Amino acid sequence: AQKITQTQPGMFVQEKEAVTLDCTYDTSDQSYGLFWYKQPSSGEMIFLIYQGSYDEQNATEGRYSLNFQKARKSANLVISASQLGDSAMYFCAMREGSGTYKYIFGTGTRLKVLA
Amino acid sequence: DAGVIQSPRHEVTEMGQEVTLRCKPISGHDYLFWYRQTMMRGLELLIYFNNNVPIDDSGMPEDRFSAKMPNASFSTLKIQPSEPRDSAVYFCASSPIGPGTGARQPQHFGDGTRLSIL
Repeated sequence: AQKITQTQPGMFVQEKEAVTLDCTYDTSDQSYGLFWYKQPSSGEMIFLIYQGSYDEQNATEGRYSLNFQKARKSANLVISASQLGDSAMYFCAMREGSGTYKYIFGTGTRLKVLA
Repeated sequence: DAGVIQSPRHEVTEMGQEVTLRCKPISGHDYLFWYRQTMMRGLELLIYFNNNVPIDDSGMPEDRFSAKMPNASFSTLKIQPSEPRDSAVYFCASSPIGPGTGARQPQHFGDGTRLSIL
């Protein structure tokens, strides 16, 4: 069955340092997509980055990059040069297969950036 | 461009009352999703539509919940009768059509409706 696991309920990072948020997934499909979202305390869900299962390069979007290790079924989010505004919940999600747009979300990691 | 618009932002009502949550997806998006977020269960997909047709409602918790999408620009999620355990944040999201490049498009979320059932 499709599953997303985020094992870090909470993380701390010093401002300006890099941080890695872990995400592992389980699927029997060869075609799937992985997404990361940020949810600040105000509650909205903000899309950050996408990685397709057939993408040969790791995705990058500004200070966000995705460390995609297909054999290990992991898709860790790396935030470089952390800022105070990065403090939020971060969710990993998977869309299984090419014929559905249904996501499964992980339980999230709460990141706190320290000044 | 306007994002996904949900109303109301907050709703407080008494147990047994009917609750209607509203959503306007992004124009041109063919998929619409309703989620519920709670501390205990996280983000759960309730139902999703493609071209106004319900595709998967397996996440709808029980018959008290119903969702409709009468046209491409409007959807409702109704709870009747409401119960305290329905208290949660309800999100609506929309996504453009796939596959191909569309498959890479994320779901765009509204700001959510915070529902409290007393």
